[in-house]
Amino acid sequence: RKEVEQDPGPFNVPEGATVAFNCTYSNSASQSFFWYRQDCRKEPKLLMSVYSSGNEDGRFTAQLNRASQYISLLIRDSKLSDSATYLCVVNTGGSYIPTFGRGTSLIVHP
Amino acid sequence: NAGVMQNPRHLVRRRGQEARLRCSPMKGHSHVYWYRQLPEEGLKFMVYLQKENIIDESGMPKERFSAEFPKEGPSILRIQQVVRGDSAAYFCASSVPGQPYEQYFGPGTRLTVT
Repeated sequence: RKEVEQDPGPFNVPEGATVAFNCTYSNSASQSFFWYRQDCRKEPKLLMSVYSSGNEDGRFTAQLNRASQYISLLIRDSKLSDSATYLCVVNTGGSYIPTFGRGTSLIVHP
Repeated sequence: NAGVMQNPRHLVRRRGQEARLRCSPMKGHSHVYWYRQLPEEGLKFMVYLQKENIIDESGMPKERFSAEFPKEGPSILRIQQVVRGDSAAYFCASSVPGQPYEQYFGPGTRLTVT
């Protein structure tokens, strides 16, 4: 089982839709979780951290489920500009090296 | 406050040549990470450096690849005797001490080996 797994998609949704992605991780000792966004042929950019209590930033909500070892990202009222690949990042305590998932591709169409 | 800078943005090398990729971290950041990304694949960690010190190079191929982050100047990822399989996007990221997981990425160097 890979350390961090994501459904590659693509998720094809109309503008205004709500879409959610999950990311599963294998190491129960993982402590830090993040979502990054990567546009085509661009660098990844930090989107948001994922806290145990959940985290909301505008239309974006991130949640952590430790029991089932996954994190989720919910995007409400999708915009065309949300089209990108969303990378899940997990870190295991004691390590300085984050593990990136391969990403989930989102395509928002008019 | 300039972000992470990488140069060159595009680099073409023939097989057997050397490739030198440069990364200047954000102001105030003293930690640098290098990643490689192949088409349709995720980011693969290569090496983690602080000034004058390699902290973790567990992701670096054993041969032909080296990295440094001198006291003055940018971090450099060097690939000697490049092969076609080295063609990829190489990203550098920087962070501040104590927050290694909140990383800020440069625009990347796209290496093409012909």
